Amino acid sequence: DAGVIQSPRHEVTEMGQEVTLRCKPISGHDYLFWYRQTMMRGLELLIYFNNNVPIDDSGMPEDRFSAKMPNASFSTLKIQPSEPRDSAVYFCASTSQGNQPQHFGDGTRLSIL
Amino acid sequence: QKEVEQNSGPLSVPEGAIASLNCTYSDRGSQSFFWYRQYSGKSPELIMFIYSNGDKEDGRFTAQLNKASQYVSLLIRDSQPSDSATYLCAVNGAGTASKLTFGTGTRLQVTL
Repeated sequence: DAGVIQSPRHEVTEMGQEVTLRCKPISGHDYLFWYRQTMMRGLELLIYFNNNVPIDDSGMPEDRFSAKMPNASFSTLKIQPSEPRDSAVYFCASTSQGNQPQHFGDGTRLSIL
Repeated sequence: QKEVEQNSGPLSVPEGAIASLNCTYSDRGSQSFFWYRQYSGKSPELIMFIYSNGDKEDGRFTAQLNKASQYVSLLIRDSQPSDSATYLCAVNGAGTASKLTFGTGTRLQVTL
């Protein structure tokens, strides 16, 4: 079975540009999570969805960040405008039930110059 | 106080020895506990999960949970160089089964 698929794998862009990260969860998984990982702060939950509905976005750092899940097989995380401090690895994860293990995608390594 | 605490390491063990990784958490209502392995430059990979007090074994891995002490550990028997990685402990919050808090991870080095 295909795992969680993220794109792009790497993104390098200049400060002020819009960045869009994409995620396809495992088929049949009703929960989707967006995480950010940095050396300083570790792995942090940004937002998660249940049945395409955002449930908790308290981890979204500021209004520059937004996430959508238009259907069960696709989600986006957008940063506009991007800043150098947004540089990190962004992971998407999914699970079938809330208390079950989450399965992670390969991540997007984002560098904002 | 951090919600999920782990010793950052590195924890160095010789090949064939038992590696013991520890994690403490602050939320007494937590119900689900996970151990993930993360190789450098890769994504977290699930190793074990445990929901009840006691031990849970899977091959060379044993997860131990003590809710009274708010403590969860991972034992790796017969450690191999391929076990060298960072191990992340993750705990859900009371009332929010879906929302995991991750520790900062313990780096394990298995030496030849």
